[in-house]
Amino acid sequence: GAGVSQSPSNKVTEKGKDVELRCDPISGHTALYWYRQSLGQGLEFLIYFQGNSAPDKSGLPSDRFSAERTGGSVSTLTIQRTQQEDSAVYLCASSRFKGSYEQYFGPGTRLTVT
Amino acid sequence: AQSVTQPDIHITVSEGASLELRCNYSYGATPYLFWYVQSPGQGLQLLLKYFSGDTLVQGIKGFEAEFKRSQSSFNLRKPSVHWSDAAEYFCAVGEAIQGAQKLVFGQGTRLTINP
Repeated sequence: GAGVSQSPSNKVTEKGKDVELRCDPISGHTALYWYRQSLGQGLEFLIYFQGNSAPDKSGLPSDRFSAERTGGSVSTLTIQRTQQEDSAVYLCASSRFKGSYEQYFGPGTRLTVT
Repeated sequence: AQSVTQPDIHITVSEGASLELRCNYSYGATPYLFWYVQSPGQGLQLLLKYFSGDTLVQGIKGFEAEFKRSQSSFNLRKPSVHWSDAAEYFCAVGEAIQGAQKLVFGQGTRLTINP
């Protein structure tokens, strides 16, 4: 079956612009996670959704970052007023339910802020 | 907070040679441990996992890992590497959050294969 998909695969934006990154989880997976992979910080957790609710937003690095999930499926990560330090690969993962510990990752969105 | 250490940033082995990638974790209780592989430009693929039971776990692509509680280690092994194994490997521990698990990753080990 189809895996986790993310779009766009690459995004180049100017400093100060807003960007939206999209994640389509595996069909039927209720838990969804966003991670960020950067040279300086490695792989770090950003936010977790169970259904449309985000019980843990502890990893969001600043209030410029927000995320939502609709219909228990697609999720959007929004970064407002992008900064150069936001340049990274943003990875999305899903799991069947919140107690399922196997997470399946998408290919990521590479964000470059110029 | 949990943490994962992968001491080797970069390892080079010859094709056909054996491989061991090291991973040490910090966790108070019985950990949920994972190894993921990332090929260039790709997402993360789960190689294997340990939750409980037999401390030697088998994964995909001929990989195995051994959980050693006394050493807080979960090293990844393969008896004979293939050129296609060249990639970056991440060890991770699951940290409980609101009934789910977020993954805490090590810094990764980049594996290069010499022909």
